[in-house]
Amino acid sequence: QSALTQPASVSGSPGQSITISCTGTSSNVGIYNLVSWYQQHPGKAPKLLIYEVTKWPSGVSNRFSGSKSGNTASLTISGLQAEDEADYHCCSYAGSNDWVFGGGTKLTVL
Amino acid sequence: QLQLQESGPGLVEPSETLSLTCNVSGGSISSTNYYWGWVRQPPGKGLDWIGTIFPSGTMYCNPSLKSRVTISVDTSKKYFSLNLTAVTAADTAVYYCVLVATRFDYWGQGILVTVSS
Repeated sequence: QSALTQPASVSGSPGQSITISCTGTSSNVGIYNLVSWYQQHPGKAPKLLIYEVTKWPSGVSNRFSGSKSGNTASLTISGLQAEDEADYHCCSYAGSNDWVFGGGTKLTVL
Repeated sequence: QLQLQESGPGLVEPSETLSLTCNVSGGSISSTNYYWGWVRQPPGKGLDWIGTIFPSGTMYCNPSLKSRVTISVDTSKKYFSLNLTAVTAADTAVYYCVLVATRFDYWGQGILVTVSS
C-alpha cells in the first residue's frame, strides 16, 4: 500500500492561486471518488478542507476547491492569504476498508 | 459539537505495548452513520492511517501494521482504544483519534508518544 505522491513544497504570493497535486493509482484515486484534503498548521491537528473530491464541509471557504483527473487529484487555493500557509495532506479510500495518505505538501505564502 | 480526546502514556519503552484511549463527547459512539479510527504522524513527516473500527467491533487496519495493531470500542463507556505491540523507535509519532465517514471528519488534538528507553 504505497503512499499517494504530493510535491514536498509549493509557494505563491498573496492573491495568487496555487494547485497541489496528489497522484495515486487505479486502485485508489483513480477508481474511488473518496479523495479528501486536510490543512494542518504547525502543532495543530489536521482540519478537513475538501471531501469526496469536490465537496466542502460546513465553514470551509470556497477559496479551496478540489478536482480529479485519472489517478491524480488536485487542491486549488485561490486568492492566497497569509493564513493559508500550512501543510496540506491528501487522502484516498483504497478499497477493502483501507485508506492511504499522501506525504504532505508545505505551502509557503511569499 | 463532537469532541475527541486522546489519553495515554507519552513514553513507551522499546518492545513494549503502546496503549491509547480516545474519549468521545458530544455525539453517539454507537451511531452506524460513521465509525472510528487512528492516524499517526511521525515527527516532520506525513500522516499514516493506522486502522478503523465500526461500532459493531469489526476492525480494519493498515496492512503494514496488521500483526501488531488492535483497536477496540466500548460503546457503553463512550471510548475506543488502540494497542500497538512490540514498538520500536519508528513508532514514535503524534497519534490522533478520528471520526470516519467518507473522510476523516473530526480529529482529536493528538498525543505525542515517544518510544525510548
